[in-house]
Amino acid sequence: AQSVTQLGSHVSVSEGALVLLRCNYSSSVPPYLFWYVQYPNQGLQLLLKYTSAATLVKGINGFEAEFKKSETSFHLTKPSAHMSDAAEYFCAVRGVRFGAGTRLTVKP
Amino acid sequence: NAGVTQTPKFRILKIGQSMTLQCAQDMNHNYMYWYRQDPGMGLKLIYYSVGAGITDKGEVPNGYNVSRSTTEDFPLRLELAAPSQTSVYFCASRSDGYTEAFFGQGTRLTVV
Repeated sequence: AQSVTQLGSHVSVSEGALVLLRCNYSSSVPPYLFWYVQYPNQGLQLLLKYTSAATLVKGINGFEAEFKKSETSFHLTKPSAHMSDAAEYFCAVRGVRFGAGTRLTVKP
Repeated sequence: NAGVTQTPKFRILKIGQSMTLQCAQDMNHNYMYWYRQDPGMGLKLIYYSVGAGITDKGEVPNGYNVSRSTTEDFPLRLELAAPSQTSVYFCASRSDGYTEAFFGQGTRLTVV
């Protein structure tokens, strides 16, 4: 069975600091991995997705994620946090099996 | 395109009542899903469908039923509502088993 684990239910960074949200996957076949973002009182929307074309995937709003098979990881990063990045972030395998989510807080 | 539309947005039910959460998509997607989201628990899959007339249970199907008579619609039925069903419910759709899912805005349900 395929699954993902998100490390850290809550991450807090200062505005302008690096954002790193961690996701590890478990899959016996090449995974299709996704990151979604959820703003308050809204549904989820796609940030980026990995489908084996390239290990470094760029998404919307300056986010990117790197697929590392040796570490079974797909961590999400952004070089400089903005206040508008405050939201909940979900990693998903095969697009529909989600991790527990990481709430990102950005301090001024 | 409206995408995925869920109705209602909010609802309060009394214990033992029943209701149907509506979900419609206009993207001609074969795959549709129902999730519930509880604080700190992520999204739990309730039921899914891979096409009209085909439905299957997810992780937490007890207390819910679904039907899929058309490609566009995937209603979720709650029978005999219980406080444990207080949650935010999301419907999602996608074109196949490898693409991203598109989500509705959610239905916030409270059972009292």
